[in-house]
Amino acid sequence: GAVVSQHPSWVICKSGTSVKIECRSLDFQATTMFWYRQFPKQSLMLMATSNEGSKATYEQGVEKDKFLINHASLTLSTLTVTSAHPEDSSFYICSAGEGETQYFGPGTRLLVL
Amino acid sequence: AQSVSQHNHHVILSEAASLELGCNYSYGGTVNLFWYVQYPGQHLQLLLKYFSGDPLVKGIKGFEAEFIKSKFSFNLRKPSVQWSDTAEYFCAVNARTGGFKTIFGAGTRLFVKA
Repeated sequence: GAVVSQHPSWVICKSGTSVKIECRSLDFQATTMFWYRQFPKQSLMLMATSNEGSKATYEQGVEKDKFLINHASLTLSTLTVTSAHPEDSSFYICSAGEGETQYFGPGTRLLVL
Repeated sequence: AQSVSQHNHHVILSEAASLELGCNYSYGGTVNLFWYVQYPGQHLQLLLKYFSGDPLVKGIKGFEAEFIKSKFSFNLRKPSVQWSDTAEYFCAVNARTGGFKTIFGAGTRLFVKA
């Protein structure tokens, strides 16, 4: 099946710094990618839809200035957590798809100290 | 808006017991339905999916699910669980009209006793 990768797999940063997470579709092109956040022992919550060549669409309650999304090419979307705080510590997961089926990346664990 | 409800937050079974995890969704249009599994420390894996056709879907590792349109349900079943099935299971739905963004249920944590 299709493969989606994320980089880095985990990151630790100081409060107030910004962190960039990459999501790549390795063997297919994706005009749309999705970003999710999973807190410990909770489900995946959709944060935003990343659209190649246009602005991302954010879900209600997600700050677009806090979580910057750039979908610069058909195989790469980036999520930048700006001025990260400890409450942003979470597991961030992206997905990319071919129609109905979404392929999920392995996730990026972010710890903000 | 789409929503997914999973009935059980935690399930504890002994090996060889039968499993059924409930999932109901709320959406008026045509949906695609999925069950994902997340083993401890690992990322999501697709167990099975339903798009159309036979409402009884067979997936990997002996799992199956039945789509009952009239009940808006997509319950996951396995006749005989193994210790290695210990994991968290997520029911999910997406739809063409929603741009295929996937909405997940809260998850059911399954623990199988050896």
